[in-house]
Amino acid sequence: LAKTTQPISMDSYEGQEVNITCSHNNIATNDYITWYQQFPSQGPRFIIQGYKTKVTNEVASLFIPADRKSSTLSLPRVSLSDTAVYYCLVGDIRAANFGNEKLTFGTGTRLTIIP
Amino acid sequence: DAGVTQSPTHLIKTRGQQVTLRCSPKSGHDTVSWYQQALGQGPQFIFQYYEEEERQRGNFPDRFSGHQFPNYSSELNVNALLLGDSALYLCASSIGLAGGLFYEQYFGPGTRLTVT
Repeated sequence: LAKTTQPISMDSYEGQEVNITCSHNNIATNDYITWYQQFPSQGPRFIIQGYKTKVTNEVASLFIPADRKSSTLSLPRVSLSDTAVYYCLVGDIRAANFGNEKLTFGTGTRLTIIP
Repeated sequence: DAGVTQSPTHLIKTRGQQVTLRCSPKSGHDTVSWYQQALGQGPQFIFQYYEEEERQRGNFPDRFSGHQFPNYSSELNVNALLLGDSALYLCASSIGLAGGLFYEQYFGPGTRLTVT
């Protein structure tokens, strides 16, 4: 499993765009990049997932450069409710074989939104 | 459509005791995974159940055991509790091999276990 490195914490003001970068130098060919969000005393919640280039959904965008050794989660116009821990996960999540669905979490990035 | 539910919400036990935590998967899901999350850390994989069998296991001692029932619900049992077992225990459900291109895991709210 590829090791990931992300900032321990970040602060941002409401209404700003927040970019959280994750490094994964040893990413494998079959690995996908997935981001989860976790509020205090709740389970992690899937945000976005991608393999290369750019992925966008109603919540966030995920930018992945051509070498795939890093990725950036972008949260547009954050609000106080976006205060949470964000986890970057790298692994093969294809539903072809058992073993792929085991998630390996790091310590995540604690994002604090300031009013 | 009910999501993943866990019970109890909170639990306080004494060192050396045994505890059982329960999880009901999201409707339509047949695979249950358990994670332990210590304060300030990311969740750590304990084990996974599919077709009532343990399919994968993380680096946890045999004091941690589980069970899956025919209705896909699951239990996590921890024997001989240690102070270090204090954590948030998360259950995640997914669809097994025939569920689609990617595994999608849905987490419950967790059970906060405190060992004194």
